[in-house]
Amino acid sequence: DGGITQSPKYLFRKEGQNVTLSCEQNLNHDAMYWYRQDPGQGLRLIYYSQIVNDFQKGDIAEGYSVSREKKESFPLTVTSAQKNPTAFYLCASSIPGSTGWRNTEAFFGQGTRLTVV
Amino acid sequence: AQSVTQPDIHITVSEGASLELRCNYSYGATPYLFWYVQSPGQGLQLLLKYFSGDTLVQGIKGFEAEFKRSQSSFNLRKPSVHWSDAAEYFCAVGALTGGGNKLTFGTGTQLKVEL
Repeated sequence: DGGITQSPKYLFRKEGQNVTLSCEQNLNHDAMYWYRQDPGQGLRLIYYSQIVNDFQKGDIAEGYSVSREKKESFPLTVTSAQKNPTAFYLCASSIPGSTGWRNTEAFFGQGTRLTVV
Repeated sequence: AQSVTQPDIHITVSEGASLELRCNYSYGATPYLFWYVQSPGQGLQLLLKYFSGDTLVQGIKGFEAEFKRSQSSFNLRKPSVHWSDAAEYFCAVGALTGGGNKLTFGTGTQLKVEL
């Protein structure tokens, strides 16, 4: 089945540690996105990538980093610089990457819940 | 920059009653509008989308939405709500920016269904 796989489902991090969230898609989509979800704040865009080896900062990129070395993978690293990392993280993908939304939509993974302990 | 406002944080309806969830958007060009639904602890599922043409769009699970350009609104409706519709609903606007496709979400509306 085609889809987006996020792992792990639950992740615990000690303060001061970096952690990496995995996002893999087999939909052959060009574009991939990372969102953070907090209660009452909806989904906020962290980073997005329209093509391999290229990515853009979203609205709340501070304290996060990404890479896009392969079309199907877009891992997110939550660094120690992120002061309040406890949240639900959602990865999404869409096609095409840079020609508007007329013929596409965003497909979402099941999310990773990150908790700082 | 584009933005989406969902003025109702929580809505409670009785099963079988009609439903309308409000969404207002701000975007300088032709808007691409979406409604997504999220069950607790899950990802988002697309209900419907509007690109152009007929301003009343039909989606899955019996939902529909009406695009009103003059009011910058894209409200979601359902004639008769089922208990399984209890979830969180998000409106989103799609834009083409210098960095590529970008999707901006509202803060969501939590729907509770009373039996």
